[in-house]
Amino acid sequence: SQQGEEDPQALSIQEGENATMNCSYKTSINNLQWYRQNSGRGLVHLILIRSNEREKHSGRLRVTLDTSKKSSSLLITASRAADTASYFCAARSPGGTSYGKLTFGQGTILTVHP
Amino acid sequence: DVKVTQSSRYLVKRTGEKVFLECVQDMDHENMFWYRQDPGLGLRLIYFSYDVKMKEKGDIPEGYSVSREKKERFSLILESASTNQTSMYLCASSLTGKETQYFGPGTRLLVL
Repeated sequence: SQQGEEDPQALSIQEGENATMNCSYKTSINNLQWYRQNSGRGLVHLILIRSNEREKHSGRLRVTLDTSKKSSSLLITASRAADTASYFCAARSPGGTSYGKLTFGQGTILTVHP
Repeated sequence: DVKVTQSSRYLVKRTGEKVFLECVQDMDHENMFWYRQDPGLGLRLIYFSYDVKMKEKGDIPEGYSVSREKKERFSLILESASTNQTSMYLCASSLTGKETQYFGPGTRLLVL
């Protein structure tokens, strides 16, 4: 079963608006990461939030984590047309191994109209 | 910058063919991963490797095998390609102790 599930599946907004994407997961995590994928390309790491953190910022990105609800949200403020992409959350399960196996969600397709 | 490259961007093969997908990273990462990406299913882990000649099955290893003879190279092998293996294949690497995975551009495989 999917560790990360994202909501909404697709989001369409105007440039300058904020975009919020949500991710839910099923089991305990070590950290949760967000990745971005431009159409037909590989994924690019955006931001990581650890299980003992509640909020993290990076430029126009703000990530929150609620471990009691097993959910996270990614907020992109003042969106730009160049933010158009698919966004994936990825859950890192705790465990003794160090190779960092991630379980990805289905992704949210964000379209920002100029 | 970390660079992960994949041997082909697009590949068309026939059912029953043996298919090799190659991935090379240039940052001395110990860990390498193969995922497939399908609409509505996100990324699913096929195999990963945490050292040369070491491999572990991911969530969907059936119909695939892998090879890691050198640290920088991780190959995905489809022994006998089938139409349900038509997909986007993504390779990634990471450094042990670091959480970020670095992805290649992907190979879009069509099996006819």
